[in-house]
Amino acid sequence: QKEVEQDPGPLSVPEGAIVSLNCTYSNSAFQYFMWYRQYSRKGPELLMYTYSSGNKEDGRFTAQVDKSSKYISLFIRDSQPSDSATYLCAPLGDSNYQLIWGAGTKLIIKP
Amino acid sequence: SAVISQKPSRDICQRGTSLTIQCQVDSQVTMMFWYRQQPGQSLTLIATANQGSEATYESGFVIDKFPISRPNLTFSTLTVSNMSPEDSSIYLCSAENGAVGTEAFFGQGTRLTVV
Repeated sequence: QKEVEQDPGPLSVPEGAIVSLNCTYSNSAFQYFMWYRQYSRKGPELLMYTYSSGNKEDGRFTAQVDKSSKYISLFIRDSQPSDSATYLCAPLGDSNYQLIWGAGTKLIIKP
Repeated sequence: SAVISQKPSRDICQRGTSLTIQCQVDSQVTMMFWYRQQPGQSLTLIATANQGSEATYESGFVIDKFPISRPNLTFSTLTVSNMSPEDSSIYLCSAENGAVGTEAFFGQGTRLTVV
């Protein structure tokens, strides 16, 4: 079993829709959960992160962690074509500096 | 934040040759990492580049194939040695300051094709 499972997609939705991106993980020791966005032919960039369970909101983006079920979510409201990218979830490993990467979900927002 | 310049951005190489990829950070950073990413796939950590000492390699990666240098806190190189078509991939440099929860910054990647 992989440490982090993420559906690679692609996920295609119309502009303005609410998008839900999800990951599951196996290691209950993870405390920090990162979401990175990667545009085509670019390196990943940090979108947001959460600590432990709960929600964190940043503009149109909401990150949610449920440690009891080991489930991580990223919600995008009022999705825009510029949100089209690959979204990677990455819990911070036990070493506290090594990220454990999900496969990444390719998101396509259709105008 | 940190800005990472990675060179070359792409290259096409003959099998059996070697390519050195350079990674320059615009500020001093504690940790530097090298990843490999197949198109449409996630990131696989090759090694952690340690300043002033030998790199720490992940399972499946060895120093003879992927020698890494890190002479100071802002610069690192990754060499892909004796290349074969299986080495065709995107190679990414990453840097962070090692505090829990801090951001990892990435270069734009080097798209390598071995023919």
